[in-house]
Amino acid sequence: GAGVSQTPSNKVTEKGKYVELRCDPISGHTALYWYRQSLGQGPEFLIYFQGTGAADDSGLPNDRFFAVRPEGSVSTLKIQRTERGDSAVYLCASSSQGSYNEQFFGPGTRLTVL
Amino acid sequence: DQQVKQNSPSLSVQEGRISILNCDYTNSMFDYFLWYKKYPAEGPTFLISISSIKDKNEDGRFTVFLNKSAKHLSLHIVPSQPGDSAVYFCAASAPGTYKYIFGTGTRLKVLA
Repeated sequence: GAGVSQTPSNKVTEKGKYVELRCDPISGHTALYWYRQSLGQGPEFLIYFQGTGAADDSGLPNDRFFAVRPEGSVSTLKIQRTERGDSAVYLCASSSQGSYNEQFFGPGTRLTVL
Repeated sequence: DQQVKQNSPSLSVQEGRISILNCDYTNSMFDYFLWYKKYPAEGPTFLISISSIKDKNEDGRFTVFLNKSAKHLSLHIVPSQPGDSAVYFCAASAPGTYKYIFGTGTRLKVLA
């Protein structure tokens, strides 16, 4: 079956602009996660959804970052007033439940803020 | 504060030999550990996991060992194959949380 998909695969924007990154999880997966991977680092947790609600958003770095999952499937990560330090690969993952279930990752969106 | 550490950024191994990748953690609350493999331009792919109630888990050529007293885990790949060349991430999670804490990765190169 189809895996986790993310669009766009690459996004180049200018400092101060607004961006949206989309994630389509594996069908039927109730849990969805966003991670951010900077160069030379491992993925860093941003936010976790169980169904439509954000169960843990402790990893969002500041209030410029926001994510939604209105129907419990597709999720959008929104970044306002982008800064050069936001440049990274943004990874989405989904799992069939919350804990102790393998998270399946998408290919990521590479965001570059000029 | 890096709670999961992979101190070897890279490792080269001859094809057919054993690859040993190491990971250390500082949070004694972690009770579930995983290894992911990542190829360029792809997302991480799950490889193998281990619960803290075990000290070993084996899946084909891959074995993960957990030493709770030392807060150390390792991934053994035997025999290593050129297709195993990738970046390997160790990850951990604590009870009641669903997020993974990842290490910085080890780039494995298997030489033919």
